[in-house]
Amino acid sequence: AQSVTQLDSQVPVFEEAPVELRCNYSSSVSVYLFWYVQYPNQGLQLLLKYLSGSTLVKGINGFEAEFNKSQTSFHLRKPSVHISDTAEYFCAVSKNSGGSNYKLTFGKGTLLTVNP
Amino acid sequence: GAVVSQHPSRVICKSGTSVKIECRSLDFQATTMFWYRQFPKQSLMLMATSNEGSKATYEQGVEKDKFLINHASLTLSTLTVTSAHPEDSSFYICSARNPLSEKLFFGSGTQLSVL
Repeated sequence: AQSVTQLDSQVPVFEEAPVELRCNYSSSVSVYLFWYVQYPNQGLQLLLKYLSGSTLVKGINGFEAEFNKSQTSFHLRKPSVHISDTAEYFCAVSKNSGGSNYKLTFGKGTLLTVNP
Repeated sequence: GAVVSQHPSRVICKSGTSVKIECRSLDFQATTMFWYRQFPKQSLMLMATSNEGSKATYEQGVEKDKFLINHASLTLSTLTVTSAHPEDSSFYICSARNPLSEKLFFGSGTQLSVL
């Protein structure tokens, strides 16, 4: 079984500051890793994903994440945040990158609040 | 715009009544849809996998007689919470998998409050 830990439930930052949202996972098998964002009153949207290859993954809206197998981490970063980045961010893992058995295990989420 | 529509966004019902939540894929035919449940400050928990034309696969601990899932068409899956009780109050989210792109799209969720 897999599990995901998002260490911070809330992260307040000022606009244009850098941010890192932390995610650690545990699994007995190889997994695929995802970050989703949920803006108020909207569905979850995929920010980025790691399936294989380069451990540094770039996503939409200037976000990137680095897969660290030895530390079982997949932290999300952005060098300079905007007010519009205020949202809930979810880290997730799956044993499958696609296919019908596409089950995601989510973390509890991190609320990123960007203040002016 | 949204590619998965979930309705209603919010519903309040009396204890003992049944509530139906709809999940529609707007731009593609979804052979597989997923239903999640989220309690405040908790993870999204997968409840069941809905497969078009066949019975849903429920996760361990989820009562299939209480959470009825119907996936009668390639664009619609419904979750019916039967004889709802206050402990069923939660945020329910659906997702649909586009078999061509293998991408997963989420609905905006339904907040169920049972009085």
